[in-house]
Amino acid sequence: DAKTTQPNSMESNEEEPVHLPCNHSTISGTDYIHWYRQLPSQGPEYVIHGLTSNVNNRMASLAIAEDRKSSTLILHRATLRDAAVYYCILSGGGADGLTFGKGTHLIIQP
Amino acid sequence: AAGVIQSPRHLIKEKRETATLKCYPIPRHDTVYWYQQGPGQDPQFLISFYEKMQSDKGSIPDRFSAQQFSDYHSELNMSSLELGDSALYFCASSGPGLAGHNEQFFGPGTRLTVL
Repeated sequence: DAKTTQPNSMESNEEEPVHLPCNHSTISGTDYIHWYRQLPSQGPEYVIHGLTSNVNNRMASLAIAEDRKSSTLILHRATLRDAAVYYCILSGGGADGLTFGKGTHLIIQP
Repeated sequence: AAGVIQSPRHLIKEKRETATLKCYPIPRHDTVYWYQQGPGQDPQFLISFYEKMQSDKGSIPDRFSAQQFSDYHSELNMSSLELGDSALYFCASSGPGLAGHNEQFFGPGTRLTVL
């Protein structure tokens, strides 16, 4: 499985934008870039995914580098409820299991 | 909206006993995944099923087995339990059908404690 690299932790203030980076230099042409997050005491939760183009949904935006070797998850206006571990995961899709790495522990200060 | 249902939510077993965890996917979802998350660890993929057939296999111990039934629910059977099996077990579902970007919906998990 292609690996991803994320910072261990990041801190941001409430109501400010947050940019969570992810490096995936060995990504293959068929890998989708997925982001999941896990809030304390809960199961992982899907955030967003993309293949080549930037993506937006109600939760976040995903910016993908032109060479696809890195991506950035953007939370436009962080709230205290966004405090979680964010995982950047590469997946070929289908019924493949997700390979969770270490993720980024996002801390939101009020 | 209906979510993934897991039962039981909590389970306490002794070493060398067996345990069965159940997962009921979201209606119309035909793919089920099992994950294990030890204390302070990240989730680890165990096994997945699509249309009642095993599809992908991760780090599932030989003591564990799983299957998906005709109504798409799945059961994870764990035998000869060890202390190290104490963990949160998540089930996720996706579908219908397979796509290159199937979003997986996770259940609340079953907390297994082995004494």
